[in-house]
Amino acid sequence: SAVISQKPSRDICQRGTSLTIQCQVDSQVTMMFWYRQQPGQSLTLIATANQGSEATYESGFVIDKFPISRPNLTFSTLTVSNMSPEDSSIYLCSVEGDGDNSGNTIYFGEGSWLTVV
Amino acid sequence: QKEVEQNSGPLSVPEGAIASLNCTYSDRGSQSFFWYRQYSGKSPELIMFIYSNGDKEDGRFTAQLNKASQYVSLLIRDSQPSDSATYLCAVWPGNTGKLIFGQGTTLQVKP
Repeated sequence: SAVISQKPSRDICQRGTSLTIQCQVDSQVTMMFWYRQQPGQSLTLIATANQGSEATYESGFVIDKFPISRPNLTFSTLTVSNMSPEDSSIYLCSVEGDGDNSGNTIYFGEGSWLTVV
Repeated sequence: QKEVEQNSGPLSVPEGAIASLNCTYSDRGSQSFFWYRQYSGKSPELIMFIYSNGDKEDGRFTAQLNKASQYVSLLIRDSQPSDSATYLCAVWPGNTGKLIFGQGTTLQVKP
């Protein structure tokens, strides 16, 4: 399995500010994924980050609001821009890793818990 | 129709009983199926994954997959109070890496 570290683990942010979340993986991975989990909700994919190319955003998410960097095969950042209380969520970094002989699986980091006030 | 459906619960079982968690999905081309456990205030933790029809056992957990019926389940034997959590079913359609999550089922195991 992959070991995924996220920073910050928690933060309280002021409305209108931006925050960058970092994700570090202990092995090289092709694709890294950013998910959001709003209070009481399930997980929703924000975007897929591939090294050396622009991130691919899901419907409802745009680069201006959630810019992503992927400078190498072990690291990515997600910025939540111009935050509002609706952005209060858990933001999760995930990667594809070894499952078993049948195929791969997806592992999650510990998450970054953001509260916007 | 939601892409991945779960009963939100709560599902309440007595300690020592078998807890049965169910999930249906709409995309017949889905390849891989996952169960994640999420404790309150924590991130999801992968507990089982299954790719082929049939049963897959790991300790007290058994995942069951029926692709013809588009149905995947998780059985937890000898349920413990520490199993009380939200269980998320996730479906991976193929090579995109885009996991589709259900809303989760809250399990309560009562001593």
